[in-house]
Amino acid sequence: EAGVAQSPRYKIIEKRQSVAFWCNPISGHATLYWYQQILGQGPKLLIQFQNNGVVDDSQLPKDRFSAERLKGVDSTLKIQPAKLEDSAVYLCASSVLSSRADTQYFGPGTRLTVL
Amino acid sequence: DQQVKQNSPSLSVQEGRISILNCDYTNSMFDYFLWYKKYPAEGPTFLISISSIKDKNEDGRFTVFLNKSAKHLSLHIVPSQPGDSAVYFCAARRSQGGSEKLVFGKGTKLTVNP
Repeated sequence: EAGVAQSPRYKIIEKRQSVAFWCNPISGHATLYWYQQILGQGPKLLIQFQNNGVVDDSQLPKDRFSAERLKGVDSTLKIQPAKLEDSAVYLCASSVLSSRADTQYFGPGTRLTVL
Repeated sequence: DQQVKQNSPSLSVQEGRISILNCDYTNSMFDYFLWYKKYPAEGPTFLISISSIKDKNEDGRFTVFLNKSAKHLSLHIVPSQPGDSAVYFCAARRSQGGSEKLVFGKGTKLTVNP
C-alpha cells in the first residue's frame, strides 16, 4: 500500500513570496489533515478535511494560509505572503475515519525555509 | 497554552536497558492518548495508544501506562534497541465540534547506545 505522498520535500523562499504544497493521501482515506511542525515543537493541526469539506480550520491563519481538497482526494496548502515565522515542516496525514486517531498516517513532510 | 507536555527533550539509555518516556497533560477532556515515533526526514508513525478508561496497554516491547488522577502517562520500552533511537511524541485526542483533534507534545529524542 502506497503511503501519503507530499511534494516538494524542501522549499526555500524569501519573505512575502508565495508557496504551495501538495499532498496525495492514501487511496480510500476520507480524512486529510495538514499539520505545521516548527523546530523543537510537536505537530500542530492547521486544517482537517472530511472528503472535500472542511471539518476544522480553527488554527489556520486564514489571512495568509489557504487549503483546498478538490474531488476529495489530493490537497494543496498555500501560504501567501510568507513570513519568517512560517519556517517549519508541513506534514500531511490521512485516515480512513476521523474517529480513529490511531489510524492517522503521515507523509514525509515539506520543509519550508523563509529567508 | 501547552496542554500536552514532554519535559525531557532528550534521553540516552544503553542497549538492553529500559527506556521510560514521560508525558503530562492538563485537559481532563482528552479521551485517548497515543505515542508516535519519528525518524529524521520522515513523518511520525503510530506506535501505541491507550484509552482513558484503561491504565495499561502492552504491545511487544512497548507498554504505555496511564495515571489519570495525576494526568500522566509514560511509555516503557524493554529491552531498548539501537533502532529505537528516534524522537517520540506524546499526543492526546480531544473531541470537539464533531471532529477528533490530536494535540502533540514537543517530543523526546531517545538515543539507545550499543
